[in-house]
Amino acid sequence: DTGVSQDPRHKITKRGQNVTFRCDPISEHNRLYWYRQTLGQGPEFLTYFQNEAQLEKSRLLSDRFSAERPKGSFSTLEIQRTEQGDSAMYLCASSFQQNSNEQFFGPGTRLTVL
Amino acid sequence: GNSVTQMEGPVTLSEEAFLTINCTYTATGYPSLFWYVQYPGEGLQLLLKATKADDKGSNKGFEATYRKETTSFHLEKGSVQVSDSAVYFCALSPYGNNRLAFGKGNQVVVIP
Repeated sequence: DTGVSQDPRHKITKRGQNVTFRCDPISEHNRLYWYRQTLGQGPEFLTYFQNEAQLEKSRLLSDRFSAERPKGSFSTLEIQRTEQGDSAMYLCASSFQQNSNEQFFGPGTRLTVL
Repeated sequence: GNSVTQMEGPVTLSEEAFLTINCTYTATGYPSLFWYVQYPGEGLQLLLKATKADDKGSNKGFEATYRKETTSFHLEKGSVQVSDSAVYFCALSPYGNNRLAFGKGNQVVVIP
């Protein structure tokens, strides 16, 4: 296993379009996290899953954002009706429940909304 | 709430110089503390961690000590190399909570 992978690495879209990102965690990890990072800032927590259950959502996650992890493996993050303010790096991380403080990050998906 | 504050601005220093990056935190209870590093073009990597007061995390010549009395977790390295050029993030995970709270990060540039 080569670590957490994310697809696509880059996405350019027009305002108002919907976009979907995918994250594949490390295979034995049952916890999966989404963060957002804007330029010059640290990552901000969005949401996390334990297996297929979404256990926590940040207030940053507006109604236009939805995340799923249907089979407890990969996860998708969808943004509907994108806005320019959604432009950011979207990071996925995973961890093993017994050591949930240690999160392993993917390379991120950079979203640009024109 | 839970937050992390890192010193302002990039850090530029010469090879073999001593590096310190300050990090202070605000948290309820007893958080775990982390330093993550982001090399150019790569994802965040865990550099070191400490889970309780007075613990010292260390890795690749970097060290940080969990100081509860000063709510700090400063990162140090005695002799930096050009390959240490990266962005360094301090982070905390509140006890019993899974979310990480990050500082803004510090760009470190090491000049040969």
